[in-house]
Amino acid sequence: GDSVTQMEGPVTLSEEAFLTINCTYTATGYPSLFWYVQYPGEGLQLLLKATKADDKGSNKGFEATYRKETTSFHLEKGSVQVSDSAVYFCALTNNNAGNMLTFGGGTRLMVKP
Amino acid sequence: DTAVSQTPKYLVTQMGNDKSIKCEQNLGHDTMYWYKQDSKKFLKIMFSYNNKELIINETVPNRFSPKSPDKAHLNLHINSLELGDSAVYFCASSQAPQGSYNEQFFGPGTRLTVL
Repeated sequence: GDSVTQMEGPVTLSEEAFLTINCTYTATGYPSLFWYVQYPGEGLQLLLKATKADDKGSNKGFEATYRKETTSFHLEKGSVQVSDSAVYFCALTNNNAGNMLTFGGGTRLMVKP
Repeated sequence: DTAVSQTPKYLVTQMGNDKSIKCEQNLGHDTMYWYKQDSKKFLKIMFSYNNKELIINETVPNRFSPKSPDKAHLNLHINSLELGDSAVYFCASSQAPQGSYNEQFFGPGTRLTVL
């Protein structure tokens, strides 16, 4: 079946540091890829998405590029802020029945002032 | 206005009890979902449901059952609760998928603790 693997956290950075959170996937066909963010005590919010190879999703300074050749969708941000502290989830859907998401294990990011 | 709401926010109960978690969405969406997030933050789909079709993740025990009184509600009923059911349960909703992904909007979660 489909699966998503992302780097384990926590990732601890100082403010304005560069962020990379690695994500790789295994799926048949041509999945759509997503990054979700979960702030403390809240539900998940869609951060960005890419629906086909070489697409770049971007939002709030975060970016991720759909790399089919390496089956990866790494999340990057050039300069993190304390307010970016959250848990980040990589996910995919394979346009299967039910629109269901398969999530990675989540990566906690902690940004220190 | 809260788009996807869940009640209760916290639920503490004894093993063997039966409990329900309620979910309501005011987005006019056709499809609703339940996800389970365990203590290690791992998220897994449990159900996908619209007025035409219920899709169940095969790993979900049949003690769990979704109940939908109308399109805006999808409640999660759990029979004979076990310690391993302790988790945070998230409800979500989206437009009905039509060949491509439709963004899912998540509720704030219900933390269930089984003693």
